[in-house]
Amino acid sequence: QVQLRESGPGLVKPSQTLSLTCSVSGASLSSSDYYWSWIRQHPGKGLEWIGYIFHSGGTYYNPSLKSRVTISVDTSKNQFSLELTSLTAADTAVYYCARYKQVLYDYYFDYWGQGTLVTVSS
Amino acid sequence: DIQMTQSPSSLSASVGDRVTITCRSSQGISRYLNWYQQKPGKAPKVLIYAASSLQSGVPSRFSGSGSGTDFSLTISSLQPEDFATYYCQQSYSIPQTFGGGTKVEIK
Repeated sequence: QVQLRESGPGLVKPSQTLSLTCSVSGASLSSSDYYWSWIRQHPGKGLEWIGYIFHSGGTYYNPSLKSRVTISVDTSKNQFSLELTSLTAADTAVYYCARYKQVLYDYYFDYWGQGTLVTVSS
Repeated sequence: DIQMTQSPSSLSASVGDRVTITCRSSQGISRYLNWYQQKPGKAPKVLIYAASSLQSGVPSRFSGSGSGTDFSLTISSLQPEDFATYYCQQSYSIPQTFGGGTKVEIK
């Protein structure tokens, strides 16, 4: 059974850096069939893809956030992480980690963490 | 970025109704379109991938169709557990983008 679980602070001050970790069980971050992703959802709003990392360590980021985002992986702990810098109130959201599965040429998010609410406030 | 537009943004329906939600992309995306269901306080759950492929474990009352720019999700007979918000997502190009959501409420 694949499980993902986010961890990190629930409250961060403006201008600071957010660090979240996603712990994965039941799947290996070294597999070439998956991309390990971060997605966020502003309160009462839709979903925004932040970026992902794949087994080789390569990353893709949403251009709208690219200057502030870093995603990294620790295969020894089977975890991957998100850093988002220069936070503002607009970064207040529920942050999800998710697995992006590749089936031939198709891709979809098949497993998600439960989400963690991050509030940016002084 | 490819813009995904869902309609309606909300609808009211009764148990047993047939419900159809549409999703339109701002440019052609072939069949690279997925559908998710989200319940309050929960993460989204994939229902349909590649426009019409039913994810394992998802009831057969859910179906998807379409290609190019126009897609639809149909629930053939709405059940109490189907009241939720539904999102489409394109996997054709980066950044992956989601529709604004369709909230299905009880009439």
